[in-house]
Amino acid sequence: ELKVEQNPLFLSMQEGKNYTIYCNYSTTSDRLYWYRQDPGKSLESLFVLLSNGAVKQEGRLMASLDTKARLSTLHITAAVHDLSATYFCAVDSANFGNEKLTFGTGTRLTIIP
Amino acid sequence: GAGVSQTPSNKVTEKGKYVELRCDPISGHTALYWYRQSLGQGPEFLIYFQGTGAADDSGLPNDRFFAVRPEGSVSTLKIQRTERGDSAVYLCASSLTAGEASYNEQFFGPGTRLTVL
Repeated sequence: ELKVEQNPLFLSMQEGKNYTIYCNYSTTSDRLYWYRQDPGKSLESLFVLLSNGAVKQEGRLMASLDTKARLSTLHITAAVHDLSATYFCAVDSANFGNEKLTFGTGTRLTIIP
Repeated sequence: GAGVSQTPSNKVTEKGKYVELRCDPISGHTALYWYRQSLGQGPEFLIYFQGTGAADDSGLPNDRFFAVRPEGSVSTLKIQRTERGDSAVYLCASSLTAGEASYNEQFFGPGTRLTVL
């Protein structure tokens, strides 16, 4: 059974600081996704990482993937209040024809002014 | 263009009742997924359609849950004899297709919040 673990589960940080969210998964998969969810809202796709060593950046967020370690990181640089949300990583089943996603439990990020 | 839409946005029902939740995917998307998200948790896979057929229903918790997609577009998730434990947000996602060489990004709808009293 594919398992996806995130840590920390809760993160409270001050504006301007840097931090990293970690995502570990239990099976060989080359495809990892990061989503953002605001309270009461649906999931917004942030990054899709498709190969070992993949790195993607958008604004203050940067995601990377190490498939050998089965680890992805989401790095936040100089956090601003607008980044407060819950962040999920997800791994697909890697079965040809069915990319159902297995999600982590999420990291609830709160940026304090 | 229009994204994935789901109706109703909220549904309150009594234990033992039957409910239907609807998902309208992005036009042209052949793959459709249902997920369930309980409070404080990540979404959990329920069922996946490729076209009209359910290609994988391994996530359905029991036989009270059923989903259809008769014309390969709109899908309905049906829950019989609802229980309080069914209370959750039910999310639908669609993607252009599935099974191609490259990934197919899933686009999520706003969800239906189901409350069983």
